[in-house]
Amino acid sequence: NAGVTQTPKFQVLKTGQSMTLQCAQDMNHNSMYWYRQDPGMGLRLIYYSASEGTTDKGEVPNGYNVSRLNKREFSLRLESAAPSQTSVYFCASMGVSGTSGNTDTQYFGPGTRLTVL
Amino acid sequence: QKEVEQDPGPLSVPEGAIVSLNCTYSNSAFQYFMWYRQYSRKGPELLMYTYSSGNKEDGRFTAQVDKSSKYISLFIRDSQPSDSATYLCAMGKGGSYIPTFGRGTSLIVHP
Repeated sequence: NAGVTQTPKFQVLKTGQSMTLQCAQDMNHNSMYWYRQDPGMGLRLIYYSASEGTTDKGEVPNGYNVSRLNKREFSLRLESAAPSQTSVYFCASMGVSGTSGNTDTQYFGPGTRLTVL
Repeated sequence: QKEVEQDPGPLSVPEGAIVSLNCTYSNSAFQYFMWYRQYSRKGPELLMYTYSSGNKEDGRFTAQVDKSSKYISLFIRDSQPSDSATYLCAMGKGGSYIPTFGRGTSLIVHP
């Protein structure tokens, strides 16, 4: 059971380039999320997907698109990268664990460190 | 005012100390409360989950929720250098699958 996995771990882009961040979970969770984390700003929600086939904007969606490919996978795309998108990106899924008992809670991937020059 | 307030620290304590980490919130509809630990260059890891008010203990960690004061705490007993990390609080409304996060408190436990 790998939990939430993300690829790549690191990426450097030039302004205007595009890329897709991949995320997969093997816990059979319905909900998946993309966050960015910047120093002093905490975790900010970019997009989320409550279930397969649905996506919704979070707090900071501008400049990003997402695809919920199937129940396991949720990708984040930067169509034209900007220096302001330099950040650490975390994917998460929500479901039940031993720690939370029978209640849904979030599990995070290891993150992707993105630098846009 | 942010919905969830958390002092960023850093909080520096000697090994063996009791650590108290806190968050305040403004939304009285919040019903579930979580604490995450995040080591440098890693993803957040769920530590504690509580629903509604009260205390929950797990080893050296105790989570406390005071809904009347809109205040939650995480206590770490016998702190170790390996506890050095950023601790994030998060909370949400019952039935909501979008928790609201605090900005995190950096904890340093020195030998």
